[in-house]
Formats: sequence, C-alpha cells, structure tokens
Amino acid sequence: GENVEQHPSTLSVQEGDSAVIKCTYSDSASNYFPWYKQELGKGPQLIIDIRSNVGEKKDQRIAVTLNKTAKHFSLHITETQPEDSAVYFCAAEDSTLGRLYFGRGTQLTVWP
Amino acid sequence: DGGITQSPKYLFRKEGQNVTLSCEQNLNHDAMYWYRQDPGQGLRLIYYSQIVNDFQKGDIAEGYSVSREKKESFPLTVTSAQKNPTAFYLCASSPPGDETTQYFGPGTRLTVL
Repeated sequence: GENVEQHPSTLSVQEGDSAVIKCTYSDSASNYFPWYKQELGKGPQLIIDIRSNVGEKKDQRIAVTLNKTAKHFSLHITETQPEDSAVYFCAAEDSTLGRLYFGRGTQLTVWP
Repeated sequence: DGGITQSPKYLFRKEGQNVTLSCEQNLNHDAMYWYRQDPGQGLRLIYYSQIVNDFQKGDIAEGYSVSREKKESFPLTVTSAQKNPTAFYLCASSPPGDETTQYFGPGTRLTVL
C-alpha cells in the first residue's frame, strides 16, 4: 500500500513568518493529495487539496505544491497567525481502494 | 464537522467490555470511514464502507467490528479483543462519486479503565 512520510513533526514560527510542511509518498499512481488541520479535541478539517494535473494551488495564505516526479508535496502557510496553531496532516489517495493514507502529522505553533 | 455527528464526545468503559461508538451523517454520503488516532501516530484506518451492507477492513481492524445497515449510520464496536482500546476515534464520510474527499466528525475519546 501507499506510504506517506511527513516532516517535521513539530514546527515553531513567529507570527508573520512562513511555515512549510513537507510530505513524500510511495505510490506513483496516487493522484489526490489533501491537507487537514486539526485543532485540539476536534476532528480534522480539510483546508486545501491538490490533484496531479496541477503543480500548485493557492487559497489566500495557504498554498500546496506537488512534484509528481519526485513524489513529494508541501503545504505553505504565509503570514502565520496564532490561530494557525494546530496539527496538520497530509494524505495521499489510493484510488483503487477508495481510501486515504495519512502522514503522522505536524504540530505547528505560532508564537505572537 | 458539517452533518457528521459522533456520540458521545467522551466514553469510559471497564476493561473486558464491548462498546459501540455512534457515527451518523445526513449529507447523503455513500462512503464512510473509521479512524483511530493516537499521539504521534497520525490517523490509522480501521474499517470503511463504500455502500450499504458492504465494508472493508482497514489497516488495524483486529479487535473491531462494524455494520452498515443504513446509509446514514456506520457504528463501530470496540470489542474486548482489542488490546489497547483507549484512543480518539474519528468517523468520516465522502460525497457520492468522490470517495477521496473525506469530511470528519468531531470524534469520540474512549478511555478503558
């Protein structure tokens, strides 16, 4: 099955700085890569996703880039704010099975 | 969380008891999923169902059972055979024709004493 690696496991940044979280995957057939944000005690919330027919997607302060050749994708958060503090998960799909494989998560802390 | 509900938010059980976690959705989603979350482990798939009366094992199905008798409901039973049942359990569902886009419920924290 798919193997998704996520780095770093923790990330601390100053408010206003940028944050980057990186993921790699193993199955070259994967075509869909979502990112989730999870606040303490809550369920994960889909924040952005990308499909393999594009290399980059932006939504306000959040962007995701995808390099299919290298099998890695990244989440970029610009102008970070304290409310961005949460655990972020990346995932890659197995379209044959109709399921996702998740990374282990990154705890992002934004200091005021 | 949308139209996905999980109840209760916190659940306590004694060791050796079976316990059933509820997951209901009113989004007309076909596919539903159960994940287990432990600190530093990410989300691990327990079971999933793409259609009523059918379900598949995920990566850590041992000690768990599910049923899918209705489209709206996908209950998870944690049996006494599950060695370490204390965890945060998350249910998710996907819209018709888009099984890869999953939306999560608020989760149930199960503590086995």
